[in-house]
Amino acid sequence: SAVISQKPSRDICQRGTSLTIQCQVDSQVTMMFWYRQQPGQSLTLIATANQGSEATYESGFVIDKFPISRPNLTFSTLTVSNMSPEDSSIYLCSVEEDHNEQFFGPGTRLTVL
Amino acid sequence: SQQGEEDPQALSIQEGENATMNCSYKTSINNLQWYRQNSGRGLVHLILIRSNEREKHSGRLRVTLDTSKKSSSLLITASRAADTASYFCATDVFRVRGLTFGKGTHLIIQP
Repeated sequence: SAVISQKPSRDICQRGTSLTIQCQVDSQVTMMFWYRQQPGQSLTLIATANQGSEATYESGFVIDKFPISRPNLTFSTLTVSNMSPEDSSIYLCSVEEDHNEQFFGPGTRLTVL
Repeated sequence: SQQGEEDPQALSIQEGENATMNCSYKTSINNLQWYRQNSGRGLVHLILIRSNEREKHSGRLRVTLDTSKKSSSLLITASRAADTASYFCATDVFRVRGLTFGKGTHLIIQP
């Protein structure tokens, strides 16, 4: 399976600021996704990161709050904008491989004060 | 929104016993995937079962899928302390991208 890395692994931020999370894959993949896992909860899909076009957002998530870039087939970023304590979560990127298996990065643990 | 519900929410067993976790979902699926997560870390992919499959094995793991009942089960045989983790099922729904996760089962293996 593809090797997926995320930066940063964790961060503590002040409310009102923004944080950009990077996701790097060691091979070209068509499908990349971003998920959020709130404390003690399961994972929720934020958006599909589309290469060369705007991301496709799920209900409850908007581009102004979670802008996503996908400049090529190995890299994507998710920005959490104008953060509040409610944004404290683990953010994970994932990729779908040839047989529909979806693999996840190690996650970015974000705490907003 | 959550597609699946895991059952039980928490399970504590003795080392060496078998652990069974169940997952139910609501809509037709392309496939169902099981994951393990240790202490809020990244997810480890365990197994994928397609809608036309009924059972799959991988080492000590056995997954079944009953599409008529919209349910799946994950069996871990001969459990070990290292199996202590949260286990999630996730469904890949036809014509919808990305996975929809259940709430998870927290498994504790007592030494």
